[in-house]
Amino acid sequence: QLQLQESGPGLVKPSETLSLTCTVSGGSISSSSYYWGWIRQPPGKGLEWIGSIFYSGSTYYNPSLKSRVTISVDTSKNQFSLKLGSVTAADTAVYYCARHAGAAAANGFDPWGQGTLATVSS
Amino acid sequence: DIQMTQSPSSVSASVGDRVTITCRASQGISNWLAWYQQKPGKAPKLLIYPASSLQSGVPSRFSGSGSATDFTLTISSLQPEDFATYYCQQANSVPLTFGGGTKVQI
Repeated sequence: QLQLQESGPGLVKPSETLSLTCTVSGGSISSSSYYWGWIRQPPGKGLEWIGSIFYSGSTYYNPSLKSRVTISVDTSKNQFSLKLGSVTAADTAVYYCARHAGAAAANGFDPWGQGTLATVSS
Repeated sequence: DIQMTQSPSSVSASVGDRVTITCRASQGISNWLAWYQQKPGKAPKLLIYPASSLQSGVPSRFSGSGSATDFTLTISSLQPEDFATYYCQQANSVPLTFGGGTKVQI
């Protein structure tokens, strides 16, 4: 059974870079059938797609965050990572990683990691 | 960007009630729509994609319908475990976008 697990610092200072990693277990991140994405949810608010990556390294991002986001993949570790630069309090959120089929997630995001709260505060 | 608008934002219901949630897209998305259920402190769970196909293991009291711009999620007989927040998500084009959510509460 495929499982995803987010990890990374829970506290980031304003203007610094938030770095998170998603570790995939129970399956290969190198599958040609799937993309791997990041989605976030500010406390008490809705869901926002951040961006996604294919195992080859091909990426696409939400234009609203594109200037600050980098997603990368490490197939040897079965992991993919998120870096979000120049963070502010508005970036405080639970960050989820998830798998999806097709670039536009035509079959939905499934499964999801449990999520990790990243708080931006000095 | 395609905007997804859900209504209502919250609904009060009782066990056994029929509940209907609507999701409207700002432009046509064919049937490229997914529905999720999220309980407090948990990750969203995929229920339906695209538009009307139940994900494996999802109870048959859940159903989805619609196409183009108007979609509906229906819970035919609300169960205690169904009290949660529901989100729609368009899968037609990037950027992928979600509706604002509908909270189903007692």
